[in-house]
Amino acid sequence: DTTVKQNPRYKLARVGKPVNLICSQTMNHDTMYWYQKKPNQAPKLLLFYYDKILNREADTFEKFQSSRPNNSFCSLYIGSAGLEYSAMYLCASSRGREDTQYFGPGTRLLVL
Amino acid sequence: AQSVTQPDARVTVSEGASLQLRCKYSSSGTPYLFWYVQYPRQGLQLLLKYYSGDPVVQGVNGFEAEFSKSNSSFHLRKASVHWSDSAVYFCVLSTGYQNFYFGKGTSLTVIP
Repeated sequence: DTTVKQNPRYKLARVGKPVNLICSQTMNHDTMYWYQKKPNQAPKLLLFYYDKILNREADTFEKFQSSRPNNSFCSLYIGSAGLEYSAMYLCASSRGREDTQYFGPGTRLLVL
Repeated sequence: AQSVTQPDARVTVSEGASLQLRCKYSSSGTPYLFWYVQYPRQGLQLLLKYYSGDPVVQGVNGFEAEFSKSNSSFHLRKASVHWSDSAVYFCVLSTGYQNFYFGKGTSLTVIP
């Protein structure tokens, strides 16, 4: 089973309010990723966990937080949503550094 | 520096015709290359991957891709497309350090 699940599939948020997105995988993958994808753009890596170590991209360091309470789950947290956060958020996982990343269906976030 | 270029943002072909989607990459290390497809309202799905060996790799649904080190390319091909192949196709480069470099994607429309 190569399933990555994401909840919710759709999220409506108000400007200034927090947002929490959830991702899970049962493949015992050591690495989990979060990407942001906007229309007509390539997915942009926000951060990833390698085991318990969080790595955040420099340009999104202060905008997104994450936690990984166990190997299977990973969250993406936005403390105060802005209009620019409206996008599709993709979670992925992989086993090993160069191994295939398996993607979830995504969460479509709309901030109003 | 690592990068992926998909020169064609949109491609339209007739059902039954052959297909080639182009991908050029730039990598300072050993490239690991992938093609992913995103169908409407779904997450990214792996079509095929290349790590080493035979430069022609077979994927799902009749897709194949050919790696060329001399041309820094990894073009995707299909002999006969079906209307259900309409989707966005992403070429992805990894250099083995958990970073995926995405092209901007090529939107394929198959006309019945």
